[in-house]
Amino acid sequence: DIVMTQTPLSLSVTPGQPASISCKSSQSLLHSDGKTYLYWYLQKPGQSPQLLVYEVSSRFSGVPDRFSGSGSGTDFTLKISRVGAEDVGVYYCMQGVHLPPTFGQGSKLEIK
Amino acid sequence: QLQLQESGPGLVKPSETLSLTCTVSGGSISSSNYYWDWIRQPPGKGLEWIGSIYYSGITFYNPSLKSRVTISVDTSKNQFSLKLSSVTATDTAVYYCARHPSAVLRFDPWGQGTLVTVSS
Repeated sequence: DIVMTQTPLSLSVTPGQPASISCKSSQSLLHSDGKTYLYWYLQKPGQSPQLLVYEVSSRFSGVPDRFSGSGSGTDFTLKISRVGAEDVGVYYCMQGVHLPPTFGQGSKLEIK
Repeated sequence: QLQLQESGPGLVKPSETLSLTCTVSGGSISSSNYYWDWIRQPPGKGLEWIGSIYYSGITFYNPSLKSRVTISVDTSKNQFSLKLSSVTATDTAVYYCARHPSAVLRFDPWGQGTLVTVSS
């Protein structure tokens, strides 16, 4: 299985300030079709996970543009340009290039 | 708007079989464009994909659980189901159902999840 490793596992951010989460995979997530199947999910407190970003950098429907994804190969980053109270929760990266799909351990974001 | 809802017993005894059902509303489970998934999350821990099923009955399972998992579909009821046999305390988790497009492992939407506790 592909191992997904996130850092940091927790972060405390002042409202309006940026935040960044790193995700590294144990194998390249570049598929032979040329796409890279790396996803970001946010699990808000008491809720099920929701899709934020797909294929490294494409924001899912309704996701604010303060969220941006980048990276390639095995190294990826999710950035929030200005953190708000509504962004609190646990962020997970996930690879979808090989079965079984695997998730990172999660990065918990809280507001200072 | 597509919605998924898990249902089933919240308490299962060790060595018994966990059984859950996901009811799909707002769309047809027989769509040729999607697979239907089970994903679980032990309390305070991360996410683990269990497996997927296509409306025709094609299944894919996580190798780590494959020997104990059966996922089935009932298109007449717009439901799909999970059975996990020989459960232990380590199978205690919130179980989610979800959907992904046929060509990509992109999970959306998810059900609200149901907590299953394995205890005598």
